[in-house]
Amino acid sequence: AQTVTQSQPEMSVQEAETVTLSCTYDTSENNYYLFWYKQPPSRQMILVIRQEAYKQQNATENRFSVNFQKAAKSFSLKISDSQLGDTAMYFCAFMSSTGNQFYFGTGTSLTVIP
Amino acid sequence: DTEVTQTPKHLVMGMTNKKSLKCEQHMGHRAMYWYKQKAKKPPELMFVYSYEKLSINESVPSRFSPECPNSSLLNLHLHALQPEDSALYLCASSRVAYLADTQYFGPGTRLTVL
Repeated sequence: AQTVTQSQPEMSVQEAETVTLSCTYDTSENNYYLFWYKQPPSRQMILVIRQEAYKQQNATENRFSVNFQKAAKSFSLKISDSQLGDTAMYFCAFMSSTGNQFYFGTGTSLTVIP
Repeated sequence: DTEVTQTPKHLVMGMTNKKSLKCEQHMGHRAMYWYKQKAKKPPELMFVYSYEKLSINESVPSRFSPECPNSSLLNLHLHALQPEDSALYLCASSRVAYLADTQYFGPGTRLTVL
């Protein structure tokens, strides 16, 4: 069975600083997809970034980038130049290549401090 | 229009009531999802509809009954719920299932079962 682990329940970062959220997962599959989703307080969950396991290049989206280490089954999210609007719960998620298995990690609550 | 709407926003019901949650999207997506999210927990996938057909049922109790009348609309019929079913129910949609397409989430319906 696939599992997704986020070992940091809560984190904080000063505005404009950089923070890294960790995520590890367990799978026997070779092809799969990984995601980071953001859920701001009382607001809709949105996709931050996605990574396809067969792509070695780390995905980036503006201030958000990932460090994907396939052998180590690690998928961390780096947020650069943190902004107050980045305050949210961040979920790492795994999807099998067939799409019939989709799991979220337990989440990391990030607070950006002014 | 990248919006998924859900009604009602809040719902309080007794254990003998029958109620329905509604989800709508007009993005032409052919996959729609129901998730259950308890407080401070990750969303748990309940059902997946692909091309209006139920493709995944994650061992959800029969007191939850999904329905997809057309490609834009997804309902979740509730009957004889238990207090532990109180949670935020999220709907999501994507272009298709099984291809790891971006899921767009609705704001959720916060359900309280008395």
